[in-house]
Amino acid sequence: SQTIHQWPATLVQPVGSPLSLECTVEGTSNPNLYWYRQAAGRGLQLLFYSVGIGQISSEVPQNLSASRPQDRQFILSSKKLLLSDSGFYLCAWSTGTREKLFFGSGTQLSVL
Amino acid sequence: GESVGLHLPTLSVQEGDNSIINCAYSNSASDYFIWYKQESGKGPQFIIDIRSNMDKRQGQRVTVLLNKTVKHLSLQIAATQPGDSAVYFCAENSGGSNYKLTFGKGTLLTVNP
Repeated sequence: SQTIHQWPATLVQPVGSPLSLECTVEGTSNPNLYWYRQAAGRGLQLLFYSVGIGQISSEVPQNLSASRPQDRQFILSSKKLLLSDSGFYLCAWSTGTREKLFFGSGTQLSVL
Repeated sequence: GESVGLHLPTLSVQEGDNSIINCAYSNSASDYFIWYKQESGKGPQFIIDIRSNMDKRQGQRVTVLLNKTVKHLSLQIAATQPGDSAVYFCAENSGGSNYKLTFGKGTLLTVNP
């Protein structure tokens, strides 16, 4: 069966520090991979998606970047965090377009 | 712009009752819809999905109804249990090569014992 791993579960970082969140998927090949952000009490906002190694599409301009160095690995990064980067970050995967997403357990990021 | 929204932000029901969570969508090109359940501090969990060539789909204790005429989606939960307490999101995809799911803001379901 397929599983998705996302870590860390919680992270507290000072403003201006770098960020690296990692997500890996097991049990499937060539998944579509996604990074979402969820503000408290709000819906999910798509940040990035990837349909293959090295292929990254950005949905919104922001202080973040994403990379996919391996087929089942998706990384969310920032060189300098802003207060507004705080939120709940979710990695997800799907088998293709117009298919259901399976989400990781999320990372609660607090930028202070 | 196009969006998916929810009629009710909160819903409180008694244990054993049936729950109905509603969702309106505005993109007439949307052809795939999903309901997710999210418990506090966790990632969303897939519940059930439906494509636009159907108007009803049933799962275990859940039913999704799609009314394309009025662009309305609902999730019915039978015999609601305390473990059903969570935020429920609807999401839609507008089809084609669109990889993006658009999520509604969510409805908080509280089940009272």
